[in-house]
Amino acid sequence: EVQLQQSGAELVKPGASVKLSCKTSGYTFSNYYMSWLKQMPGQNIEWIGNIYGGNGGTGYNQKFKGKATLTVDKSSSTAYMDLSSLTSEDSAVYFCARWGYDGTYYYFDYWGQGVMVTVSS
Amino acid sequence: DVVLTQTPSTLSATIGQSVSISCRSSQSLLDSAGNTYLYWYLQRPGQSPQLLIYLVSNLGSGVPNRFSGSGSGTDFTLKISGVEAEDLGVYYCMQATHAPYTFGAGTKLELK
Repeated sequence: EVQLQQSGAELVKPGASVKLSCKTSGYTFSNYYMSWLKQMPGQNIEWIGNIYGGNGGTGYNQKFKGKATLTVDKSSSTAYMDLSSLTSEDSAVYFCARWGYDGTYYYFDYWGQGVMVTVSS
Repeated sequence: DVVLTQTPSTLSATIGQSVSISCRSSQSLLDSAGNTYLYWYLQRPGQSPQLLIYLVSNLGSGVPNRFSGSGSGTDFTLKISGVEAEDLGVYYCMQATHAPYTFGAGTKLELK
């Protein structure tokens, strides 16, 4: 069974950084892309970027360049996202989602449970 | 960035009623290979989004066939033929033809 388990809620101070994790199981981590997405309370979903589990190659939404840094640890099948210089605008729920492939088409097929990041002094 | 405009923003329905949600794109979502990367997701309260439809009209794994998708180019529709209680939540369209991937603002389906 494919599972994406995200780390727990974070309360961080303005200006600080936070590292979120997404530990996977049930599939070959290095064969898939993992995306990270942001959802502010009651609002739209934004795609932050993606990372390939095989070689760590990344693609970012221009809006989040300099804000988010995506990495992977193949040995533990875990994806990470660093968020830096946090402000209140970074308070949101962050999801990891696998960019799945059925042999023909791609889609987000599995999602983590989401992690709430609250930026407050 | 591609803007996806969903209408309506809120939809009230009774159990068994058929409803439709529209998603209009600011650019054509047809790529050079002839694929249209338009998806529909449902986010139930307190849960992560789950895939309903991929590439306009393909049903996701385990998704009931009361859900259907249609459309082309810039205009797309999700139809639910006979709403059930478990269908309540927020529906999002999403495009992956053009980077960055973008989502519509969502349509909240609630019980009348």
